[in-house]
Amino acid sequence: SQTIHQWPATLVQPVGSPLSLECTVEGTSNPNLYWYRQAAGRGLQLLFYSVGIGQISSEVPQNLSASRPQDRQFILSSKKLLLSDSGFYLCAGDRGSNSPLHFGNGTRLTVT
Amino acid sequence: AQSVAQPEDQVNVAEGNPLTVKCTYSVSGNPYLFWYVQYPNRGLQFLLKYITGDNLVKGSYGFEAEFNKSQTSFHLKKPSALVSDSALYFCAFKDTGRRALTFGSGTRLQVQP
Repeated sequence: SQTIHQWPATLVQPVGSPLSLECTVEGTSNPNLYWYRQAAGRGLQLLFYSVGIGQISSEVPQNLSASRPQDRQFILSSKKLLLSDSGFYLCAGDRGSNSPLHFGNGTRLTVT
Repeated sequence: AQSVAQPEDQVNVAEGNPLTVKCTYSVSGNPYLFWYVQYPNRGLQFLLKYITGDNLVKGSYGFEAEFNKSQTSFHLKKPSALVSDSALYFCAFKDTGRRALTFGSGTRLQVQP
């Protein structure tokens, strides 16, 4: 079955510093990949999704960007972090149609 | 706009008692509905889904959910709660016009020993 790997688990970064969070997928090829952000332990906000290499759809305008350089690699980036970028970032993947969404264990980002 | 709603922020139940976590939907056409569970500092885990067919869907860890079209509900249930069921539960739907799932606000389930 599909496994989503995310790292690091926690990250503390100063305002204005860059960000790179990596997500890799094991156990399937051509997955759809997603970045969600969860604020205050509650609802999830979809940030980006990708249906293939180099194909990125952005859901909300923001300080973040995403890239998919390889089929099983999805990267979330920022050039300059804001305080409001703090949160719990979750990478997820599925095989399309109505297959279940599999999540990584998340990265807790604190911007100070 | 299409959505799912979880009207309860928190549900408290005693161990051994039945539990229900509520979800209502406002989705046009045939809704694709899901339940996920999240333990502290972890990603979400898939419990079950309704696409079509039987209105009673059985999932992981003894959970089930009943799709009720007339009441536009998809409540999560378990006959006998365990302390280890304490977690954050999310209802979600897939909009036919989108690839991604949209999640409800979550319900915290607390099972007391």
